[in-house]
Amino acid sequence: QVQLQESGPGLVKPSETLSLTCNVSGGSMSNFYWTWIRQSPGKGLEWIGYIYYSGTTNYNPSLKSRVTISVDTSKNQFSLKLTSVTAADTAVYFCARDFCTSSSCYLDYWGQGTLVTVSS
Amino acid sequence: QSALTQPRSVSGSPGHSVTISCTGTSSTIGTYNYVSWYQQFPDKAPKLIIYDVTKRPSGVPDRFSGSKSGNTASLTISGLQTEDEADYYCSSYAGRSKVFGTGTTVTVL
Repeated sequence: QVQLQESGPGLVKPSETLSLTCNVSGGSMSNFYWTWIRQSPGKGLEWIGYIYYSGTTNYNPSLKSRVTISVDTSKNQFSLKLTSVTAADTAVYFCARDFCTSSSCYLDYWGQGTLVTVSS
Repeated sequence: QSALTQPRSVSGSPGHSVTISCTGTSSTIGTYNYVSWYQQFPDKAPKLIIYDVTKRPSGVPDRFSGSKSGNTASLTISGLQTEDEADYYCSSYAGRSKVFGTGTTVTVL
């Protein structure tokens, strides 16, 4: 059974960089897309971006200038960096596996989520 | 990349059916049969309940069903049960990216 677990600071100061890591266990990272999603308090889900196991990335255009997603398959983990954060970036951040082929595409495994608060 | 549009809330009595709509565009739902639905309880991660418009993952009750017509997808919960009270989100592939719906709260009366 694949499991994902987010980790990182729960409090980040405005203008600083948010950094989170997602540890993947119970399966290989190969041939999958690995995704970050966030949910502001009381709001809906927002797709941040993904990284393919080989390193190809794609980001939400609204966040693209501030986001970097990286992968380390040797450690079975991938990471999110979001620069120049503001209070608007306060959210629960989820990592998830995106099973996406030429005939199918869906997020099948999710981490439990981690709350990141941006505040001085 | 605008969010897909869902009704804010729907409600129904136990045993009845409710349908949640999810409206996108010709660049999302209208083009791709990669619509998925997620169920989310408070303070929990979303759970996949429908994928590729109509398919159910193993373990998801068959009272959950999905469909699509044009730019709009729908999730129907038949034989509503109290444990179905939750938030539901649709999602669509959008050409090398994904977009989520605005979310719908299902209330069991």
